[in-house]
Amino acid sequence: GPKVLQIPSHQIIDMGQMVTLNCDPVSNHLYFYWYKQILGQQMEFLVNFYNGKVMEKSKLFKDQFSVERPDGSYFTLKIQPTALEDSAVYFCASSLGLGGREQYFGPGTRLTVL
Amino acid sequence: GDSVTQTEGPVTLSEGTSLTVNCSYETKQYPTLFWYVQYPGEGPQLLFKVPKANEKGSSRGFEATYNKEATSFHLQKASVQESDSAVYYCALSDHNNNNRIFFGDGTQLVVKP
Repeated sequence: GPKVLQIPSHQIIDMGQMVTLNCDPVSNHLYFYWYKQILGQQMEFLVNFYNGKVMEKSKLFKDQFSVERPDGSYFTLKIQPTALEDSAVYFCASSLGLGGREQYFGPGTRLTVL
Repeated sequence: GDSVTQTEGPVTLSEGTSLTVNCSYETKQYPTLFWYVQYPGEGPQLLFKVPKANEKGSSRGFEATYNKEATSFHLQKASVQESDSAVYYCALSDHNNNNRIFFGDGTQLVVKP
């Protein structure tokens, strides 16, 4: 089936530095999402993105977070500066539409902030 | 707000036995309900979804009925296999929330040969 790729699979970074997580969504999909999962906890929605704009963000999407997809390339999540509590697995997803359309998830990027 | 509660894991079964993972949900809207499965090192993948109340979804021998009155969506399988070992997530998405998915905590299933 359709694949979502995420780069890198693991990232270790010192607190206060910037990190960019990259997502290569399914090629014809229009809606993009980031979810965060802290080890042993629930997977939680961060943000969704369509047509170059954030549609909705949760309270977990702090001011230090930003997303973009320049010119149809990677869909990115940037954290600047990082904090210890940002350590988690971040999952990217994409869908063709809304209204309960299936979201296809990538394998996740494990971010460790030291 | 929207939320999903499901059976706490891990659930350990022998091959050939039956599975039930309970799932209940809360929402003021009219959601689509999902079961996702996640294998080690991978992201969640859709098992099946049910957009309408009182309908049943199924895939690979797993099934669940969208029970609006009971606000439940329990996952069942008559005979589990070792390859079914994974984490199962009950989830919902309501049409007024821009397709954001609310996940349950996940239930780890371990099937022993």
